[in-house]
Amino acid sequence: DQQVKQNSPSLSVQEGRISILNCDYTNSMFDHFLWYKKYPAEGPTFLISISSIKDKNEDGRFTVFLNKSAKHLSLHIVPSQPGDSAVYFCAASSNFGNEKLTFGTGTRLTIIP
Amino acid sequence: EPEVTQTPSHQVTQMGQEVILRCVPISNHLYFYWYRQILGQKVEFLVSFYNNEISEKSEIFDDQFSVERPDGSNFTLKIRSTKLEDSAMYFCAPLEGDTQYFGPGTRLTVL
Repeated sequence: DQQVKQNSPSLSVQEGRISILNCDYTNSMFDHFLWYKKYPAEGPTFLISISSIKDKNEDGRFTVFLNKSAKHLSLHIVPSQPGDSAVYFCAASSNFGNEKLTFGTGTRLTIIP
Repeated sequence: EPEVTQTPSHQVTQMGQEVILRCVPISNHLYFYWYRQILGQKVEFLVSFYNNEISEKSEIFDDQFSVERPDGSNFTLKIRSTKLEDSAMYFCAPLEGDTQYFGPGTRLTVL
């Protein structure tokens, strides 16, 4: 039961260009969405989040877009830097963040110098 | 962002043995979560803890698992009789505001 899907297992982007990572969800009860970055053998690091009352949230180089009608969100990183190379997980919860997180399967982003 | 430590960083155990994984948040948190990630798979929810009680648990969190807050600041996840399939990274995550911040994890290897 994949309630949160990341259909691209990997993505390669040239340094300085925009990276776009996508995530789809099926559960209409989700109202809080987060992106985490993860390196091997480390814990997920929180990047940015968005609640269902918004359609965009921006923090520095990171912007998350939410399309509730399509049940789709995306993370934009611009400009992409070599340090951005990692696995990115999309996660969703209900009750505005007070419930468990349901994670996607992750997208491995590689920034090419 | 809360500072969370987890000990041990790596635990190797024999099948059938008990393990205790520890998590220390610096600040008090009412909501607390445990997750695990089997190698190559996605992060999975195990259990949530609110105000010193379990508020929700997943199918994975069977009778072999237990969670406690023994002294008001440490959180522990105990696996009574480990199985090979328990080998994974285990993460604790306190809730601060509307965001769960993950600890560095404990790698559990069951032989």
